[in-house]
Amino acid sequence: GQQLNQSPQSMFIQEGEDVSMNCTSSSIFNTWLWYKQDPGEGPVLLIALYKAGELTSNGRLTAQFGITRKDSFLNISASIPSDVGIYFCAGQRAQKLVFGQGTRLTINP
Amino acid sequence: EAQVTQNPRYLITVTGKKLTVTCSQNMNHEYMSWYRQDPGLGLRQIYYSMNVEVTDKGDVPEGYKVSRKEKRNFPLILESPSPNQTSLYFCASSFLTGLNSPLHFGNGTRLTVT
Repeated sequence: GQQLNQSPQSMFIQEGEDVSMNCTSSSIFNTWLWYKQDPGEGPVLLIALYKAGELTSNGRLTAQFGITRKDSFLNISASIPSDVGIYFCAGQRAQKLVFGQGTRLTINP
Repeated sequence: EAQVTQNPRYLITVTGKKLTVTCSQNMNHEYMSWYRQDPGLGLRQIYYSMNVEVTDKGDVPEGYKVSRKEKRNFPLILESPSPNQTSLYFCASSFLTGLNSPLHFGNGTRLTVT
């Protein structure tokens, strides 16, 4: 089945640093979503993007829907310990949702 | 509280012993779906349902069955589990309104098949 290419696969950063991760696809999507998964829990929606070129913020998180509709990025500014977890991008077309492989974020205090 | 509830959270079983993982949502969502999560592969869709009595295969349906007899429930059935079905499973649901209805996930079921 189709998958998105999400990078990096893992990140080890210092508290306070900014984080950037992205997803690319060979196919066009109508919606891009970013989820975060904490240990032992299901993914929780962080940001949803519905229009090509859209730039959306949610607190310290900023995400953009690529102009070609084939990519998206997520930035986290001034990271804090509770940002630790796995971040997933997902492209949606109708009711079909395709996930990236995930980015595992580790923060050193 | 609006939620997707899966049971059990943890399950250890042996090869060939039929099992069912239940999923229930209280948000009146039409769409429900099952995913499995494996290291390095992200979440892959097993089956989905657009409404009662309507189910379709996802990307990795082999070895699984589902049913949708009621709107709120979407059980995942493994008739004859095998070790390669050891994984973390998530149920999810949403409204069937096209673009602006993101998925809500349950907290997962960790299955081990020995």
